[in-house]
Amino acid sequence: QKEVEQNSGPLSVPEGAIASLNCTYSDRGSQSFFWYRQYSGKSPELIMFIYSNGDKEDGRFTAQLNKASQYVSLLIRDSQPSDSATYLCAGVTGGFKTIFGAGTRLFVKA
Amino acid sequence: DTEVTQTPKHLVMGMTNKKSLKCEQHMGHRAMYWYKQKAKKPPELMFVYSYEKLSINESVPSRFSPECPNSSLLNLHLHALQPEDSALYLCASSQTKGESSGNTIYFGEGSWLTVV
Repeated sequence: QKEVEQNSGPLSVPEGAIASLNCTYSDRGSQSFFWYRQYSGKSPELIMFIYSNGDKEDGRFTAQLNKASQYVSLLIRDSQPSDSATYLCAGVTGGFKTIFGAGTRLFVKA
Repeated sequence: DTEVTQTPKHLVMGMTNKKSLKCEQHMGHRAMYWYKQKAKKPPELMFVYSYEKLSINESVPSRFSPECPNSSLLNLHLHALQPEDSALYLCASSQTKGESSGNTIYFGEGSWLTVV
């Protein structure tokens, strides 16, 4: 079983819609979770981190963590074509080991 | 712009060559990482240095040899690589693990490696 799982997509949403990206993890000891955005040919760029149950909002982005269900999500409101990228979910296990999910490709149609 | 700097951005090397990838960060972070990323795949952890000591080696072949000369620098020495080692090599850093947010890793722009 993979430690961090994501639907690879592609997820296609119209401009202005809400994009919902989901991630599950297997290690109950994982405490910190991250969402990165990666454009084609570029390195991953941090969007948000979350380590408490509940929601965390930053601008158009909201991260949600449910430790009981071992579930992390990212909502992107008012999606823009510039949001089209691969979104990587990551969790920290055993201290310094940050493990990435396979990534979800998001396409925002103008 | 990222505060983790990697050089070179592109490297082409033969299978008998010896080369090095270099990484530098000036954020005062005490953990540094090497990840390898193939096309359409997530970053795959290779090595972790914590306080300049190697703390994680993910069973990486010995043709990859990491080195951490000081808290700001991280090198990856390459020797006798194979064509399948061609990938994007990402350096990253993070603070200590004392706080949950301190686990946040920040990536450099990466070094594109092609082995011919």
